[in-house]
Amino acid sequence: GAGVSQSPRYKVTKRGQDVTLRCDPISSHATLYWYQQALGQGPEFLTYFNYEAQPDKSGLPSDRFSAERPEGSISTLTIQRTEQRDSAMYRCASSPSLVQGGDTQYFGPGTRLTVL
Amino acid sequence: GQQVMQIPQYQHVQEGEDFTTYCNSSTTLSNIQWYKQRPGGHPVFLIQLVKSGEVKKQKRLTFQFGEAKKNSSLHITATQTTDVGTYFCAGQRGATNKLIFGTGTLLAVQP
Repeated sequence: GAGVSQSPRYKVTKRGQDVTLRCDPISSHATLYWYQQALGQGPEFLTYFNYEAQPDKSGLPSDRFSAERPEGSISTLTIQRTEQRDSAMYRCASSPSLVQGGDTQYFGPGTRLTVL
Repeated sequence: GQQVMQIPQYQHVQEGEDFTTYCNSSTTLSNIQWYKQRPGGHPVFLIQLVKSGEVKKQKRLTFQFGEAKKNSSLHITATQTTDVGTYFCAGQRGATNKLIFGTGTLLAVQP
């Protein structure tokens, strides 16, 4: 595609419900990242994938958070038993190469999650 | 929490004035990237610095990476209203793709 897309753009859910967010990276991009961004703050790393491998998930806040990229393209981020503190913008980014230590990341528009 | 701090948190300037934001890491970085995020938008990549003491320029923007690779700065000469937004530095440590974003500096430009 022309850019990174994310869906839904907005999600309102009730506390205790599960939610799944989707990211469609730029086609052929090897690396995909998930970030959580609170209002007025910088994105905080959650996890990333090189194709379908997930080398680092150290940023996931708890075991309620999980991410998948089964075929090395589209990725999903699932939050189980949502809590109010999970309310944030969830951003996906992709980059074109496996080169470690630095590469341009292209961000999607984000999914604004609100947990009531 | 974030381990890369930026100062100032907020800067308000008159159009035409210069602006600088400073980025400081508690540990050595393998490289540093800068992103700009317009209000309501998403972060957009500006530049990447890799070498100690490196200086790069993009028109009115000058980026610098410190000798110890722990700090960086972004300087904008003669600001314009189009420069409005939040500027984030983001660093990587070692051989990892994990990017640690700074706290950001929000720039407001009054015409």
